[in-house]
Amino acid sequence: DAGVTQSPTHLIKTRGQQVTLRCSPKSGHDTVSWYQQALGQGPQFIFQYYEEEERQRGNFPDRFSGHQFPNYSSELNVNALLLGDSALYLCASSFSKWAVGEKLFFGSGTQLSVL
Amino acid sequence: GQQLNQSPQSMFIQEGEDVSMNCTSSSIFNTWLWYKQEPGEGPVLLIALYKAGELTSNGRLTAQFGITRKDSFLNISASIPSDVGIYFCAARLGAQKLVFGQGTRLTINP
Repeated sequence: DAGVTQSPTHLIKTRGQQVTLRCSPKSGHDTVSWYQQALGQGPQFIFQYYEEEERQRGNFPDRFSGHQFPNYSSELNVNALLLGDSALYLCASSFSKWAVGEKLFFGSGTQLSVL
Repeated sequence: GQQLNQSPQSMFIQEGEDVSMNCTSSSIFNTWLWYKQEPGEGPVLLIALYKAGELTSNGRLTAQFGITRKDSFLNISASIPSDVGIYFCAARLGAQKLVFGQGTRLTINP
């Protein structure tokens, strides 16, 4: 039983570029949440997707957008990259759209570096 | 906004010692969670607490949900080398987003 898988594991971009990160949830999970973890900090909630819709959103600008597909996998898109967007991006999956935290299973993350 | 203040930021201990860390906030929560993160990995859930005053154990780990609902504590007894990592507290109120602390980095000298 595969856990949460994220791709790519590492990514280097330059300022102004756009990036797409991908996540496949744990088998049987239907809800995907995305978190940004800056170096030395705790994860910060970006948004959550359930039934292909954004259900909750953290304090992130519109440059951050996402999508969930019918197979429950998800993408995180970031436009007009800034140096401050450099971070570990974590995907977490769960069963219920209201399980924001409980029984969250995290992937290993995508390390994004913006130069 | 809601913030969790986690302390200490780092700990350097000898193998076999007990560890205590805590998390406080000015906001009330009804769920407290403790996660551990190792290098190159995502956080792994250790203990979940759902009721004020609740004391829950997971092996050598024990966590408590503070009676004021504004704090939580994690203790690790008889530390071993594999306990090394960063420990995060996290909390939420109802269906609101999960808020994380800044982490406690645990280093163990064998």
